[in-house]
Amino acid sequence: NAGVTQTPKFQVLKTGQSMTLQCAQDMNHEYMSWYRQDPGMGLRLIHYSVGAGITDQGEVPNGYNVSRSTTEDFPLRLLSAAPSQTSVYFCASSYAGLVYNEQFFGPGTRLTVL
Amino acid sequence: QQQVKQSPQSLIVQKGGISIINCAYENTAFDYFPWYQQFPGKGPALLIAIRPDVSEKKEGRFTISFNKSAKQFSLHIMDSQPGDSATYFCAASIGQGAQKLVFGQGTRLTINP
Repeated sequence: NAGVTQTPKFQVLKTGQSMTLQCAQDMNHEYMSWYRQDPGMGLRLIHYSVGAGITDQGEVPNGYNVSRSTTEDFPLRLLSAAPSQTSVYFCASSYAGLVYNEQFFGPGTRLTVL
Repeated sequence: QQQVKQSPQSLIVQKGGISIINCAYENTAFDYFPWYQQFPGKGPALLIAIRPDVSEKKEGRFTISFNKSAKQFSLHIMDSQPGDSATYFCAASIGQGAQKLVFGQGTRLTINP
């Protein structure tokens, strides 16, 4: 199993550009989430999904869109990048169920917006 | 509003010593409290987790102590080793699946040989 994979590893954008951060998992997990990590802030939830076709907002959703057409993939879209979106982005996945399931994180995408 | 507050921001411990990281939370509805370990350039990985129906959980050199009345929990690393040098995050969530984690600010731990 590759686990949770993210592409690209690094990206530099200019203000106003758009891009999509890719996330895929091969563990057949129902739940997938996107977090951003900023110094001194920990990780903050952007959007999450409890299954294909179902998404919801997290703590900091503004400026980001998501969709989930398959169980495996959960892309994060920046429609008009801003310098405040400079961050490291992590995708995570976990099983649904009646127990408290571990979230598995991808290796991250480091995004710089100039 | 930071729902989970973590301290200290950074910590230096001698090899063989005890590392202690503390977290406090506001929301009494939280019912799952994991600790994550992150090495540079990597994603966080689950280290150990606890639910509020127990006061302590131990896995090897790692122990979580949980004080429900004080709304605090802490991570103790016994016999700290240089390989433990990493950033540690406490977190909390409500309900099963834990897909909506609220993280603390993180602690950068350095173990000196």
